[in-house]
Amino acid sequence: GEDVEQSLFLSVREGDSSVINCTYTDSSSTYLYWYKQEPGAGLQLLTYIFSNMDMKQDQRLTVLLNKKDKHLSLRIADTQTGDSAIYFCAEVPGGYQKVTFGIGTKLQVIP
Amino acid sequence: KAGVTQTPRYLIKTRGQQVTLSCSPISGHRSVSWYQQTPGQGLQFLFEYFSETQRNKGNFPGRFSGRQFSNSRSEMNVSTLELGDSALYLCASSLGPGQGNQPQHFGDGTRLSIL
Repeated sequence: GEDVEQSLFLSVREGDSSVINCTYTDSSSTYLYWYKQEPGAGLQLLTYIFSNMDMKQDQRLTVLLNKKDKHLSLRIADTQTGDSAIYFCAEVPGGYQKVTFGIGTKLQVIP
Repeated sequence: KAGVTQTPRYLIKTRGQQVTLSCSPISGHRSVSWYQQTPGQGLQFLFEYFSETQRNKGNFPGRFSGRQFSNSRSEMNVSTLELGDSALYLCASSLGPGQGNQPQHFGDGTRLSIL
């Protein structure tokens, strides 16, 4: 079955780059998403990438996809304290199946 | 365009009671999914509705049920509440199932606490 794995915690200094990693198992995944969750709130869609792409950039966010290794990463440039949150990776398998989320990576930004 | 609206935001119940949570999707979205979020288990998929039909179901007991109305609004019900049901319940809407380029948009959730 499908599975999405993420590390639980990442700590970076303000101004540095953050890289949050995710691995998935379903090779038929068509879309991969990154969501951000701040305390007391729901999940906010940050960006997504189609599986035929290697990279997608959106302002400070860069998504890299290595389809061969089933590895997805989210790079946040010039990380700010407002970026402190939990980041979820999610995949949509081929055909219609439910979206599968990782457990979330808690990003702590140290001023 | 209004986002996904969940009511109530907070709810306190006691064991054995039942509860109904409500979700209004983004206008035009016809698919609604429900998730349970707890610190130890992360996001667990409950069920998805599209056109008033349950299309997918997660691995939860029959105490958890849901439905969708003709206007795409959805409700979920939990009967005979247990302490372990304390969680943040999130609703997400999308245009329709299987449309990966139209991702799910989430509400802020209902925080359910069982005493």
